[in-house]
Amino acid sequence: NAGVTQTPKFQVLKTGQSMTLQCAQDMNHEYMSWYRQDPGMGLRLIHYSVGAGITDQGEVPNGYNVSRSTTEDFPLRLLSAAPSQTSVYFCASSYSSAGAWNEKLFFGSGTQLSVL
Amino acid sequence: EDQVTQSPEALRLQEGESSSLNCSYTVSGLRGLFWYRQDPGKGPEFLFTLYSAGEEKEKERLKATLTKKESFLHITAPKPEDSATYLCAVQENYGGSQGNLIFGKGTKLSVKP
Repeated sequence: NAGVTQTPKFQVLKTGQSMTLQCAQDMNHEYMSWYRQDPGMGLRLIHYSVGAGITDQGEVPNGYNVSRSTTEDFPLRLLSAAPSQTSVYFCASSYSSAGAWNEKLFFGSGTQLSVL
Repeated sequence: EDQVTQSPEALRLQEGESSSLNCSYTVSGLRGLFWYRQDPGKGPEFLFTLYSAGEEKEKERLKATLTKKESFLHITAPKPEDSATYLCAVQENYGGSQGNLIFGKGTKLSVKP
């Protein structure tokens, strides 16, 4: 059981480039989400999904795109990278319990992204 | 104004020196409060969920408590392996619908041998 797997671990982009951060989970979790973590700030939710074909915006969605075609995968796309998107990105998944879908999050190990 | 405030930002303890971390919140309807541990270069790892004032949860040297406005993470006789950043998060209750998690900035704990 690998849990939540994120690739790549590190990435350097130039301003204006696009890329996709990959996230896969093997726990059959319905809920998946993307967070960014910046120095001096708490984790902030970018996008989330409560099941295949269903996505919604979080607190800081601008500049990011997501889709959920399978239960296992939830990629995050940066459409045109900007220096403000330099951050550490975490993918997380969760199961449903007593009607709550994000009670206990399982996080990946993160992707450190630098945009020059 | 931050909805979740953790204090102190950093805490240095000697091995065996017990202390507490604080998480205060200002959300109007609390559905749940969560504690996570994060080691350098890794994703957060779930520790506890608390739902109502007066509730307590324990795991090894850690004990989490909850009041109507704050939570404490008590660390008893800490060891160097307890060194990590501890994150607090709250989930609001929007008229029966659940909100997303709101994370605090964390408390970085260092335990020296």
